[in-house]
Amino acid sequence: EADIYQTPRYLVIGTGKKITLECSQTMGHDKMYWYQQDPGMELHLIHYSYGVNSTEKGDLSSESTVSRIRTEHFPLTLESARPSHTSQYLCASSVLSGGASNEQFFGPGTRLTVL
Amino acid sequence: AQSVTQLGSHVSVSEGALVLLRCNYSSSVPPYLFWYVQYPNQGLQLLLKYTSAATLVKGINGFEAEFKKSETSFHLTKPSAHMSDAAEYFCAVSDHNYGQNFVFGPGTRLSVLP
Repeated sequence: EADIYQTPRYLVIGTGKKITLECSQTMGHDKMYWYQQDPGMELHLIHYSYGVNSTEKGDLSSESTVSRIRTEHFPLTLESARPSHTSQYLCASSVLSGGASNEQFFGPGTRLTVL
Repeated sequence: AQSVTQLGSHVSVSEGALVLLRCNYSSSVPPYLFWYVQYPNQGLQLLLKYTSAATLVKGINGFEAEFKKSETSFHLTKPSAHMSDAAEYFCAVSDHNYGQNFVFGPGTRLSVLP
């Protein structure tokens, strides 16, 4: 079944730890995104990618980094987690198209808590 | 640049009452428009989308939205609210340029009172 997956769903970690949030999609989409969202608040785009070896920064500055070595995989890494990184992180994907099919499909999210 | 405004960060309705969530957009070109729903601790799920065909768009869970170019609006409605409709709703606008400018609104939290 075509879908988009995120692991872990919940992560509690201490300050200074390195973490990687995983995102994979089986829909063959070229474009992928990472959003940061505080509870009940709006989405902020922090990274996106047009395809393999493409990564771009989004509207909200973030200390995280991303990579896109395979089409289906778009992990997000924090080298040294801080309490200010506590948030929900949402991964999404879409086709790279000029048509209305550029709707975004979302994963279930990872809720990160940094102590 | 495109933008989306959603009037009312929090809307409360009684169960069985009409749901109306407002969305206005700004776009220099005919847009594509979307409504997403987010339940607690979940990602966003597409409710419906406007693709320049019919101006009245029907979506899942009994929701529909009407594109009004003259008002630059894309309000979401449901005739009768159900308790399970309580969630966060996001309006989004996209241009035709390979989704280069896909912008989400700030969201509206819908509460449904028994």
